[in-house]
Amino acid sequence: AQRVTQPEKLLSVFKGAPVELKCNYSYSGSPELFWYVQYSRQRLQLLLRHISRESIKGFTADLNKGETSFHLKKPFAQEEDSAMYYCALSTGGGNKLTFGTGTQLKVEL
Amino acid sequence: DAGVIQSPRHEVTEMGQEVTLRCKPISGHNSLFWYRQTMMRGLELLIYFNNNVPIDDSGMPEDRFSAKMPNASFSTLKIQPSEPRDSAVYFCASNAGTTYNEQFFGPGTRLTVL
Repeated sequence: AQRVTQPEKLLSVFKGAPVELKCNYSYSGSPELFWYVQYSRQRLQLLLRHISRESIKGFTADLNKGETSFHLKKPFAQEEDSAMYYCALSTGGGNKLTFGTGTQLKVEL
Repeated sequence: DAGVIQSPRHEVTEMGQEVTLRCKPISGHNSLFWYRQTMMRGLELLIYFNNNVPIDDSGMPEDRFSAKMPNASFSTLKIQPSEPRDSAVYFCASNAGTTYNEQFFGPGTRLTVL
């Protein structure tokens, strides 16, 4: 069965510091991976998806099949990046997502 | 479009009572998902529907939980009887049902069972 692991429940960084939110997955086939974000008092929303190979709000994520990872990175954290981040996995071309347990990012001034 | 609509936003009930959560997906979306969010387990998929038909209910914790989608614009998640361990935030999401398509989430219902 597929699984998504986010080892850190809370990550605290200073403004301007680099950010890396870790995500590892377990799946034997070809996965598709996503990052969703939930800002305070807002709905959970898609941040970026692996297949688009995009950079959103300065965030990027590279799929590393050898390490089965999809870490989310940003070179310089901003205060507005403080939020809950979820890594999610879709398999077999299906519509179902498996989410990790989430990482709360706190950017301190 | 107001997006996915959920009601109520907050529900406080006593153990043993029946709880019904409601969801209206985005018009035109043919897939609907129910999730439960807790601190310990994060976001868990409970059940999802395609074209009003339940496709995967393997995440439904036990028989006390049931979900229906009588038409394309309405779904319910019912817990009967409720227990304190059911306390969580329940999210509904919808999408167009195509491969790897973005899911759009509702605001959630915060359920507290005393």
